Amino acid sequence: GESVGLHLPTLSVQEGDNSIINCAYSNSASDYFIWYKQESGKGPQFIIDIRSNMDKRQGQRVTVLLNKTVKHLSLQIAATQPGDSAVYFCAENGRGNQGGKLIFGQGTELSVKP
Amino acid sequence: GAVVSQHPSRVICKSGTSVKIECRSLDFQATTMFWYRQFPKKSLMLMATSNEGSKATYEQGVEKDKFLINHASLTLSTLTVTSAHPEDSSFYICSASWTGGDTEAFFGQGTRLTVV
Repeated sequence: GESVGLHLPTLSVQEGDNSIINCAYSNSASDYFIWYKQESGKGPQFIIDIRSNMDKRQGQRVTVLLNKTVKHLSLQIAATQPGDSAVYFCAENGRGNQGGKLIFGQGTELSVKP
Repeated sequence: GAVVSQHPSRVICKSGTSVKIECRSLDFQATTMFWYRQFPKKSLMLMATSNEGSKATYEQGVEKDKFLINHASLTLSTLTVTSAHPEDSSFYICSASWTGGDTEAFFGQGTRLTVV
């Protein structure tokens, strides 16, 4: 996704509710996608990944959905907790790109209200 | 899991001086390391790709003479911000990868650079 010049979107949810964070990626040739969580002043932390031959993958309390038709990725967090408050980024590794070379989306700031 | 350590976590330097940031892979050999820059409330922007033993590949618009990258070993890459100016103040983050295929990258904790 294009992030230059845009402010970070925000999402505010009540503790215990489910959160859905969306991301539009740019390269239709990308075949590997990752969601990262970034807390203030820290580096990104891996949450979950998905390859382009899948449309859904589940982890602990998290689910990633991939819609290649519209180049859309979403992260669902079940029973959101205060510790989930952070900025969430999707990242893509375009086909043919060097392993680990990631292009990051805009990011969404998740705020969890107690 | 793979651990990447970045040092220092914070640095303040005077305008005109140079600052070196280190990125180390602690428990694996990183054939490739990446350097990102992040402005407040913004996404990570890839600056350059660093392959061990060869010259770094810089993204468009990144000044290679301003941001010197060295990847002399499989566990260490350094980013030197030369003749730093206040506009170079930013959060710099490295990541490391070990294969040539599709893979996640492991990130350091970032370095907050402030140029005064």
